Amino acid sequence: DSGVTQTPKHLITATGQRVTLRCSPRSGDLSVYWYQQSLDQGLQFLIQYYNGEERAKGNILERFSAQQFPDLHSELNLSSLELGDSALYFCASSATGTANYGYTFGSGTRLTVV
Amino acid sequence: AQTVTQSQPEMSVQEAETVTLSCTYDTSESDYYLFWYKQPPSRQMILVIRQEAYKQQNATENRFSVNFQKAAKSFSLKISDSQLGDAAMYFCAYNSGYALNFGKGTSLLVTP
Repeated sequence: DSGVTQTPKHLITATGQRVTLRCSPRSGDLSVYWYQQSLDQGLQFLIQYYNGEERAKGNILERFSAQQFPDLHSELNLSSLELGDSALYFCASSATGTANYGYTFGSGTRLTVV
Repeated sequence: AQTVTQSQPEMSVQEAETVTLSCTYDTSESDYYLFWYKQPPSRQMILVIRQEAYKQQNATENRFSVNFQKAAKSFSLKISDSQLGDAAMYFCAYNSGYALNFGKGTSLLVTP
């Protein structure tokens, strides 16, 4: 157990729907990072939050949004889902606002859009 | 944006042998950090080893070591005495700020 908790582990939904993925960072970590892993694109950085504030943004689509709550858990919202959004979504956490010491990853949420 | 290239989609090694996975990166920064992560079939991303660019000495973690060539922008991972449990996807990653930028990965097969 890495200490980073992601729920749900699996999610199957239809095109056009909206889903929410949840992440609880490792105890004491202030930063949360979201990544999308697909076969053709590899691991793509989506967004980072640090202590409740957005810190960095990567290749996140406008249909996707995220937030980090006062208890430091984070949610990634995916809307108007398309078949191409099917992927493994990882959350990771780090103690500080930088990734100089790497991340601790959760076990991921497998999203299947049908 | 910094790019990370892993030119070997797949590698194979026999148990107890040594294998080297390649990684190159492109950056104009002088201070940065490099990582190797392992992703076994369980999907969990596990940090294997970390290198600070300003340190000349190559990082080592038990059977895992790196060959860091800053001028060549090369960061290879050497796995010694390979074990069946080393079979996984291996990702090289670069960081000079907030987020890690990953390569596409190398799939390592370990044969008995």
